[in-house]
Amino acid sequence: AQSVTQPDIHITVSEGASLELRCNYSYGATPYLFWYVQSPGQGLQLLLKYFSGDTLVQGIKGFEAEFKRSQSSFNLRKPSVHWSDAAEYFCAVGYLFSGGYNKLIFGAGTRLAVHP
Amino acid sequence: EAGVTQSPTHLIKTRGQQATLRCSPISGHTSVYWYQQALGLGLQFLLWYDEGEERNRGNFPPRFSGRQFPNYSSELNVNALELEDSALYLCASSLARDTEAFFGQGTRLTVV
Repeated sequence: AQSVTQPDIHITVSEGASLELRCNYSYGATPYLFWYVQSPGQGLQLLLKYFSGDTLVQGIKGFEAEFKRSQSSFNLRKPSVHWSDAAEYFCAVGYLFSGGYNKLIFGAGTRLAVHP
Repeated sequence: EAGVTQSPTHLIKTRGQQATLRCSPISGHTSVYWYQQALGLGLQFLLWYDEGEERNRGNFPPRFSGRQFPNYSSELNVNALELEDSALYLCASSLARDTEAFFGQGTRLTVV
């Protein structure tokens, strides 16, 4: 069965510091991978996705993620965090179905706090 | 271009009542997904509609149901509401099965 693990429930960083949020997935084939961000009381905003090709993907707001098949990981990174990045971050894997996916399996989320 | 829109934003119901939540996908998107985000349970897949048909459902009881209309908008119905149905219900849409899903802002359902 597909699953997604985000080992860090809470992370606190200082503004301007670098950030890496970890995500590990369990799936036999090449997955569809996503990172979403959720601000309090809001819906989910897509940061970036990986379907195939280049394993380093660039997203919005200066985020990037690297797909490492050997480690079953899709970690999210940002070189310099801004106070507005404080939010909850969700990694998700698409459950493959007939050439695409028919649902997303989400990790439990990582809540990011940013110190001024 | 308008994103995924959900209504109402907030909904308060009494236990045992029925709730109807609505979702309008991004123009041109034919797939609609519903997810439940309950406190402590994370984001759980509820239903997937594509081209007007229910294609898949998550591990939820039959009192969670819905439909997709010819214009691809969708509604989620929750019958016989229970206190634990209180959650943020998120709708998402995608152009096709191999493209990314975009989420709405959600409907906060509170059952009292």
